[in-house]
Amino acid sequence: AQSVTQLGSHVSVSEGALVLLRCNYSSSVPPYLFWYVQYPNQGLQLLLKYTTGATLVKGINGFEAEFKKSETSFHLTKPSAHMSDAAEYFCAVRGRGSTLGRLYFGRGTQLTVWP
Amino acid sequence: ETGVTQTPRHLVMGMTNKKSLKCEQHLGHNAMYWYKQSAKKPLELMFVYNFKEQTENNSVPSRFSPECPNSSHLFLHLHTLQPEDSALYLCASSQESGFQGEQYFGPGTRLTVT
Repeated sequence: AQSVTQLGSHVSVSEGALVLLRCNYSSSVPPYLFWYVQYPNQGLQLLLKYTTGATLVKGINGFEAEFKKSETSFHLTKPSAHMSDAAEYFCAVRGRGSTLGRLYFGRGTQLTVWP
Repeated sequence: ETGVTQTPRHLVMGMTNKKSLKCEQHLGHNAMYWYKQSAKKPLELMFVYNFKEQTENNSVPSRFSPECPNSSHLFLHLHTLQPEDSALYLCASSQESGFQGEQYFGPGTRLTVT
């Protein structure tokens, strides 16, 4: 079974500061991992994904995430926050070999960026 | 139109009404999904369709009735809803449900049940 825990339902940073959103997963098989972003009144947009290969994954809008198997983590970072990054962020895991389309989502982290 | 579209974007309905939500994907995908997003709750998967066949019903009450006439269209028929059904309903699609890739989401329908 797969599950995701996002530590911190709310994160606040100043504009220009480092953004760090935490995600830990549980998976009985090697995972596929995703970060999605949701802006107000919109659906979820894929930021980045880890499937195989390089453990440091770069996504859109300057975000990146590192898959650490030993820590079962997939934290999302951005070196310098921008006001436009304010949104809700969701981490999701999917087991390999699964025949179902199920993504297991975390509860989300609301990112606030202060000027 | 590109990506995944949903109509209507907002819907207010009484508990005795019948309405339908529509989703259309323009990505050539074969799997489609309905999710419910309520405030302060995790995203809930409701239904999965793969090549027009329902492959998952996540214990959803029968007042929600999905329909998938083809791989590009997905409907959610609503009847005798309860106020706790008020939520954002998101549609998503992927290449196929067994494909180990991402899902693409529509903008959602904000449903309010009065």
